[in-house]
Amino acid sequence: GAGVSQSPSNKVTEKGKDVELRCDPISGHTALYWYRQSLGQGLEFLIYFQGNSAPDKSGLPSDRFSAERTGGSVSTLTIQRTQQEDSAVYLCASSPSLGAEYEQYFGPGTRLTVT
Amino acid sequence: KQEVTQIPAALSVPEGENLVLNCSFTDSAIYNLQWFRQDPGKGLTSLLLIQSSQREQTSGRLNASLDKSSGRSTLYIAASQPGDSATYLCAVRSGTYKYIFGTGTRLKVLA
Repeated sequence: GAGVSQSPSNKVTEKGKDVELRCDPISGHTALYWYRQSLGQGLEFLIYFQGNSAPDKSGLPSDRFSAERTGGSVSTLTIQRTQQEDSAVYLCASSPSLGAEYEQYFGPGTRLTVT
Repeated sequence: KQEVTQIPAALSVPEGENLVLNCSFTDSAIYNLQWFRQDPGKGLTSLLLIQSSQREQTSGRLNASLDKSSGRSTLYIAASQPGDSATYLCAVRSGTYKYIFGTGTRLKVLA
């Protein structure tokens, strides 16, 4: 079946502009996660959703970052007034539920470059 | 604060060799540990998930072990092939719903 998809695959934007990154999880997966992978760094957790609810937003790097999920499916990560340090690969993952027994399935990522 | 370390950072081996990748974590109170591979420019592919109550998991030529008390996991790859070349990441889930990732081991298997 279809896996996690993300769009766009690549995004180049000018410093100060807003960007929206989209994640389509596997159908039926209620849990959704966003991570960031900066060059030479490990993966950094940003936020998770159970259904449309995001109980813990403490991983978001600053108040320029926000995320929402609608209909328990598609999620959008928005970065306002982008900075060069926001350049990274943004990865989305989903799992059937939040339970620890479930694997996380990752999408191919969106490579964001802020010039 | 949970920290995950992977050793070695890079590894180059001839085809056919058996190899072991290491992952260590500082807080033994984990729910599970997951091993992934990442190919250049691609997302992560899940390889094995070990629950905290388990000691090992096997899938084909891959075997992952978990020793929670010592904060260690190993990924054993038997009879390595050039197609195994990738970055291998381990991630632990502890306390919350997020994974803490190591920085990975870059593996190159030479034909």
